[in-house]
Amino acid sequence: QQQVKQSPQSLIVQKGGISIINCAYENTAFDYFPWYQQFPGKGPALLIAIRPDVSEKKEGRFTISFNKSAKQFSLHIMDSQPGDSATYFCAASRRRGAQKLVFGQGTRLTINP
Amino acid sequence: GAGVSQTPSNKVTEKGKYVELRCDPISGHTALYWYRQSLGQGPEFLIYFQGTGAADDSGLPNDRFFAVRPEGSVSTLKIQRTERGDSAVYLCASTDPGQGIDEQFFGPGTRLTVL
Repeated sequence: QQQVKQSPQSLIVQKGGISIINCAYENTAFDYFPWYQQFPGKGPALLIAIRPDVSEKKEGRFTISFNKSAKQFSLHIMDSQPGDSATYFCAASRRRGAQKLVFGQGTRLTINP
Repeated sequence: GAGVSQTPSNKVTEKGKYVELRCDPISGHTALYWYRQSLGQGPEFLIYFQGTGAADDSGLPNDRFFAVRPEGSVSTLKIQRTERGDSAVYLCASTDPGQGIDEQFFGPGTRLTVL
């Protein structure tokens, strides 16, 4: 019930291409779905987040697509750049109560120049 | 401060020893979280404080782990009788749900190595 499954584990994309990372969750009580970016030796930093009342959210080159019926959400990075090379984590939580984040396993993204 | 800070950045200890890890949240943030991140994995929730009280400690793996936040600001994660399996990066995050903020702001973490 608490699991968030993320795929792929690693991804290599050419500069300028589209990077796509997928996540699936089980707990229908989740109502907040953030994506975090983490560089080596640093803590995770929020990239973009979505609530289930919308199916898509776009911020610059980053887009979250959300499918409530399938319990899936994905991150799309358009025009991927070498500086986007990092580990990406999807997460889910309930906005009420403890709001503890349940993270996916992570995707190591490499953008080749 | 400008962000969440954690000290020390690295801690090497021997099996069986006691360690304390410190977290300074963003000023004014009432909610504080501890997570543990093992190598190649996503962070896993340990404990949540709202103010001074531990509102949810369901993620603490066993009674060797304990955390406090006596004045509602700085928090200390305490690990007794450390084991090699405790080696991980311990992350702290803070937020202010009273301001309608969902985002949790993470510190850089403390890398704990138990020899």
